[in-house]
Amino acid sequence: EIVLTQSPGTLSLSPGERATLSCRASQSVSSDYLVWYQQKPGQAPRLLIYGASSRATGIPDRFSGSGSGTDFTLIISRLEPEDFAVYYCQQNGRTFGPGTKVDI
Amino acid sequence: QVQLQESGPGLVKPSETLSLTCTVSGGSTSSYYWSWIRQPPGKGLEWIGYIYYTGSTNYNPSLKSRLTISLDTSRNQFYLKLTSVTAADTAVYYCARRSIIGWVDPWGQGTLVTVSS
Repeated sequence: EIVLTQSPGTLSLSPGERATLSCRASQSVSSDYLVWYQQKPGQAPRLLIYGASSRATGIPDRFSGSGSGTDFTLIISRLEPEDFAVYYCQQNGRTFGPGTKVDI
Repeated sequence: QVQLQESGPGLVKPSETLSLTCTVSGGSTSSYYWSWIRQPPGKGLEWIGYIYYTGSTNYNPSLKSRLTISLDTSRNQFYLKLTSVTAADTAVYYCARRSIIGWVDPWGQGTLVTVSS
């Protein structure tokens, strides 16, 4: 089973700053199958990015995804107060990374 | 729009079987994959498994020996059965729709299942 590692574990930033989150796979993952989710406390995860770089419906363009092979990145260009949450990557609708918490 | 809702007991005794139902509304289970995912309190997400509308399944290897996921397209429901539960199975259990290319959306609101005597 492919193992996903996310870094950093916690990212402490301020509104307006740029967040760069990393997701690394233990073996190559097709970009088509790499997905990012956002989860806020007490809520179900929300689909952000699919196919490594395509924004889901309704997701603002400050969120962008990139990467291929074993290294993928989620960038939030300018943090808004509502972006402080935990972000998970997932491969092929199966294994999840451990998450990156973005907090103030 | 498609909505999912989990239902089932919130408390299960150790060594017994955890059974949950996911009811799909606003769409049909006669397409897509249908997933179960869980999240222990304060921890990350764990993929449990999914079932295709044809009935084929794919399970997390760490749970496979205890797990059954099934589907009733006539009721627009799918099901989770996890046997021989322990406290480590305490979690919020989510049901969700999985696309053919792996993105998972939408999700149910989740249901907390506690394993305790």
